[in-house]
Amino acid sequence: AQTVTQSQPEMSVQEAETVTLSCTYDTSESDYYLFWYKQPPSRQMILVIRQEAYKQQNATENRFSVNFQKAAKSFSLKISDSQLGDAAMYFCAYRSSLSNAGGTSYGKLTFGQGTILTVHP
Amino acid sequence: EPEVTQTPSHQVTQMGQEVILRCVPISNHLYFYWYRQILGQKVEFLVSFYNNEISEKSEIFDDQFSVERPDGSNFTLKIRSTKLEDSAMYFCASSVGGLREGRNQPQHFGDGTRLSIL
Repeated sequence: AQTVTQSQPEMSVQEAETVTLSCTYDTSESDYYLFWYKQPPSRQMILVIRQEAYKQQNATENRFSVNFQKAAKSFSLKISDSQLGDAAMYFCAYRSSLSNAGGTSYGKLTFGQGTILTVHP
Repeated sequence: EPEVTQTPSHQVTQMGQEVILRCVPISNHLYFYWYRQILGQKVEFLVSFYNNEISEKSEIFDDQFSVERPDGSNFTLKIRSTKLEDSAMYFCASSVGGLREGRNQPQHFGDGTRLSIL
């Protein structure tokens, strides 16, 4: 079974600064997908960024980028120019690429414990 | 932008009672999921649903749980006889497709239903 570990329960950053959230995972699969989700106090889980394991290039979405190290099984999230609205719980998630015999995706996400990010003005 | 909607936002019920949590997935989505998050803990997968049947379930999803898509829009999670440990935030999610339809289709989550068992 896959596991996802976020070793930083809490992180803080000054507005406009850069912060990196860590995530490691354990899997025996060679092809899979990784995600970062954001959960603000309003509770809705919002997709921040995603990475396919078969792609060597790190994903970027505006101020958000990842450092994907496949051999080390590491998937960190970098937030540049932090804004007050970035304050939230951030979850790293893993999804297998395997499907069942019917060809439908297993699809389930395995989440890490989450990191609470505080942004100071 | 279309959203996954969940009702109610907060449900309080007595232990042993049945509860139904409701979700309206995004209209063109084909895959549906339930997750739960016990306070202070990680989000855990419960069940996935495709083509009117369960495609995968976790060990948490025992005989007390069931899911249903009673019409073309709703997706429900029923807990038959609630226990104190069922108190959690329950999230519904949907995706447009699985691996057959295209790689890496992201799941879109609702706001969640906070279930409190007394």
